[in-house]
Amino acid sequence: SSELTQDPAVSVALGQTVRITCQGDSLRSYYASWYQQKPGQAPILVIYGKDNRPSGIPDRFSGSSSGNTASLTITGAQAEDEADYYCNSRDSDGSQNYVFGTGTKVTVL
Amino acid sequence: QVHLVESGGGVVQPGRSLRLSCAASGFTLSHYGMHWVRQAPGKGLEWVAIVSFDGRNNYYAESVKGRFTISRDNSKNTLYLQMNSLRTEDTAIYYCARDRVGSSWNFYYYMDVWGKGTTVIVSS
Repeated sequence: SSELTQDPAVSVALGQTVRITCQGDSLRSYYASWYQQKPGQAPILVIYGKDNRPSGIPDRFSGSSSGNTASLTITGAQAEDEADYYCNSRDSDGSQNYVFGTGTKVTVL
Repeated sequence: QVHLVESGGGVVQPGRSLRLSCAASGFTLSHYGMHWVRQAPGKGLEWVAIVSFDGRNNYYAESVKGRFTISRDNSKNTLYLQMNSLRTEDTAIYYCARDRVGSSWNFYYYMDVWGKGTTVIVSS
């Protein structure tokens, strides 16, 4: 099965821009989706498809993809964006399984 | 309002069984595939299983294959996860999530609605 690798942690100054990356072979076949999880809460979807945001997600969140790498960018990070972020993709090995990234802890300074 | 509510978690001894439920409201469950996702204490998200909208197809993570069974009763708007031969490493919060599929130049998959989770602790 595929793996999706993320940096364990990143930090960003309030109001600045941060990019979170996700690498894996399955991303050559499928777009990643991105999920935000705050402590003690369930994950919520923030980006899906090429660069789509569900209703209620601020437009400071955006997504992009190139080759085997997907990225989630927060432009003008806010204190409430401090959270864990996970990418997810369907597996490309024909199993029809899914795989989550290892997760990135975003700290807003 | 679209909601998913998990139930059935608890403390169970290794080797025993447990059945989780996920009640859907605000949408017609039979129109969607459904996932179970879990999160061990202090760890990341792990995909567990998916069932197709009609219950005919299901797929599992290698870590649970042969022990867990995902199923659904669309007449009751409820998703299930039967967990047998439980191990200590199955200790986690278990979430159900709704499956969505879209397409642009290629297909893309995502989970747009999540429940709040139910906690399973496997311990002697």
